[in-house]
Parts: sequence; C-alpha cells; structure tokens
Amino acid sequence: GQQLNQSPQSMFIQEGEDVSMNCTSSSIFNTWLWYKQDPGEGPVLLIALYKAGELTSNGRLTAQFGITRKDSFLNISASIPSDVGIYFCAGPRGNAGNMLTFGGGTRLMVKP
Amino acid sequence: SAVISQKPSRDICQRGTSLTIQCQVDSQVTMMFWYRQQPGQSLTLIATANQGSEATYESGFVIDKFPISRPNLTFSTLTVSNMSPEDSSIYLCSAQRGRQETQYFGPGTRLLVL
Repeated sequence: GQQLNQSPQSMFIQEGEDVSMNCTSSSIFNTWLWYKQDPGEGPVLLIALYKAGELTSNGRLTAQFGITRKDSFLNISASIPSDVGIYFCAGPRGNAGNMLTFGGGTRLMVKP
Repeated sequence: SAVISQKPSRDICQRGTSLTIQCQVDSQVTMMFWYRQQPGQSLTLIATANQGSEATYESGFVIDKFPISRPNLTFSTLTVSNMSPEDSSIYLCSAQRGRQETQYFGPGTRLLVL
C-alpha cells in the first residue's frame, strides 16, 4: 500500500532557529496535508497542498508540494516554544480521496 | 470548521472488558472515520463509519473486535471489545463535510488496558 516516509523523526532546536522536515513516498499523491498534534490533543490541519509545485504559507509555516507528486516539505521559520509538538504529513490514499495515510511524524522540541 | 468531541477522554480498563467511545460533531458531516494511534506512533485508520450501513474496515481490523455505529450524520461510536493490553492506544475520530473538504479530528480517547 501507499506509505509516507517522514524525516527527521525528531528535532531538538534552539528558539529562533528555522526548521525543515520532509515527507516522501514511492507512490504519487494528489494532495499533501500537514498536521500538528499537540500533547493530549488530536491533529490539527496546518497546510493543505493540492497541486504539484504548489508553495503555500500559513504564518511562519511554508509547505511545498513536490513536482514529482511524491514528496513534500514543511518549513517553520523563527521557531518559538509553542511550535513544540508532533508534525505529520498525510495524504489521501488511492482514489478514495478521503481515507488518509499518515507519515511517521516529526517530533519537534524547542529550547527557549 | 467542525468541532468534534469524544467521550470518555481517557479510561483505564481491565482486560477482557469492552469500552464504547462516543464521537459527536457539532454539525452534519458526510464522512466520519476512526483512527488508532499506538504509543509513540502515527495514526492508523481503523474504519470508515457509514451512516445507515455497516462500517468499512481497513486491513487488520475486524467488526467483531471494533464494532462501529453511525446512527446519524453527527454521531458515531467505536467499541473496543474483549480488550487486551495491546489495545492500549489513543483512539481518534475524524469528520469531513465533503469529499474535497478538510478532515477534522477529535481530541482522542486515551485507553489503558491492564
């Protein structure tokens, strides 16, 4: 089945630093989603990407849909302590369009 | 957006018992899903909860173990049956209004089986 490989698995950075994480797949995805999960909460959608090559920003977050449709990256600029959490990439599987496959997650820790 | 609540938020259960988790959405939605998140892991889809018909289960999940109900467009339940310690996980429901719309998640139910 379709799998999403997310890296790095974890990051421990200093407040103010920029962060980059990515997601790759051996299969083509028509949509890429980036979610953040805070401790004790469900995932919250950060950015949705629908078109190959698309670059989308949401505040300090920027995500791109790879031109091959097999990868995506998420950048966070000038990290702050509340950026701490687990970031997941996700994509709808096959032609179903709604059932999501999730990457393994990137655990981000920010040192004040 | 859709606001999703789950009950209970957490529970500690004895092996061999069953627990039913409720998911309530604040507005009518077309699709509802149930996911499992094992400790330190990512989310895995258990099933799609279909309104008025049997749920559609993913490979590795069966109705006898995870019976699901969806009596209307705003509510669904997931039962974890005959629990064992391996069922200790976070169970999350999600909802989506339409095919091209955002999928929102509930806060999850944290289950510990002793």
